Amino acid sequence: GAVVSQHPSRVICKSGTSVKIECRSLDFQATTMFWYRQFPKQSLMLMATSNEGSKATYEQGVEKDKFLINHASLTLSTLTVTSAHPEDSSFYICSAIPAGGQRTEQFFGPGTRLTVL
Amino acid sequence: QKEVEQNSGPLSVPEGAIASLNCTYSDRGSQSFFWYRQYSGKSPELIMFIYSNGDKEDGRFTAQLNKASQYVSLLIRDSQPSDSATYLCAVNDYKLSFGAGTTVTVRA
Repeated sequence: GAVVSQHPSRVICKSGTSVKIECRSLDFQATTMFWYRQFPKQSLMLMATSNEGSKATYEQGVEKDKFLINHASLTLSTLTVTSAHPEDSSFYICSAIPAGGQRTEQFFGPGTRLTVL
Repeated sequence: QKEVEQNSGPLSVPEGAIASLNCTYSDRGSQSFFWYRQYSGKSPELIMFIYSNGDKEDGRFTAQLNKASQYVSLLIRDSQPSDSATYLCAVNDYKLSFGAGTTVTVRA
């Protein structure tokens, strides 16, 4: 149980285009999902906290107009990278907390590798 | 975000030896601590968590927590080549704050 999927697993796009990444909790409902970004040889950095039915909370330095987050259901959160540029190339990972579960229990998706040409 | 510090390594140990990983954190009020393993190109997977001072053992892994010193460690006994990965220390007070990770290489 507690499986989180991400789609796509890998995407290559041209500079200036927008890319949508989906994060799904497959066998549980998640009121809270998190989006992380990881650059090569660096650790995971939290970008934003996604709450079902409300606006996402962004970490300092993360542009909310560039990284659009939608958490429209208890099993799906999406991250859209708008007008992507090469510096946005990174490994994007989501995690989810089961509804009613302990806040310390996060389940990670497999990640999405974004390459912007 | 809270500061979590780890030695980046690489830490190289022979097969069968003990690998010792260290982590310090800045917020004295932090309550829960996690160790994740991350293979190259993959997302983190939870090894274990610890909330209380002292040791916690799970198979070949032992986590040690000292809140007074704001220090948490991970011991890997009988290291195997499959343990070669980056180990991430994380502090969780609702949001996870990760250290930079320590890369471990187990030599066969």
